[in-house]
Amino acid sequence: DAKTTQPPSMDCAEGRAANLPCNHSTISGNEYVYWYRQIHSQGPQYIIHGLKNNETNEMASLIITEDRKSSTLILPHATLRDTAVYYCIVRPMYNNNDMRFGAGTRLTVKP
Amino acid sequence: NAGVTQTPKFQVLKTGQSMTLQCAQDMNHEYMSWYRQDPGMGLRLIHYSVGAGITDQGEVPNGYNVSRSTTEDFPLRLLSAAPSQTSVYFCASSYGGVKSGSVSYTFGSGTRLTVV
Repeated sequence: DAKTTQPPSMDCAEGRAANLPCNHSTISGNEYVYWYRQIHSQGPQYIIHGLKNNETNEMASLIITEDRKSSTLILPHATLRDTAVYYCIVRPMYNNNDMRFGAGTRLTVKP
Repeated sequence: NAGVTQTPKFQVLKTGQSMTLQCAQDMNHEYMSWYRQDPGMGLRLIHYSVGAGITDQGEVPNGYNVSRSTTEDFPLRLLSAAPSQTSVYFCASSYGGVKSGSVSYTFGSGTRLTVV
């Protein structure tokens, strides 16, 4: 069973920030939060990950609540090319084989 | 280009036929895995390998075999194809062991398999 809960779909206007929520209420102290996205039928693409602190890279920002039970992926200026399925995954620190993909959130960026 | 290469991209099989899906990576990653993705669903782990000579089962291993004779290659074999194995198959790789704590997967572009 996936350890995360995400809304099945979201819309966002082009140029606006897209905020994708994820609940992971059973996360343990040695588990990371990872975000991947899958554009159309391509292979999933890594976006960002974090443990406790907020993280930012050239693609997105990850905001993790203080109790670590939820997080938000932020795409600061969404474009049409950001339309994809976004997966939030909780993964143990040293266990590569426990990467479980749920159904994700289908983000549609509209003109 | 560095990355994960999957072949073929498309394949149609008849029920009962066997075939091998190829996966190769040139990043010297210890960890490799195979996923399948059915329409409208997330990815499910079939088999994985933490290094050459070591493989293990994932969530949905039945009907599939794997082997890992080299670090670079991780083929997936369908022994007797069934219509239920119609799916898109993705191979992924990453660093493993003590380096695995904070690393991401690199995925291939997928093999679209139809069993009729």
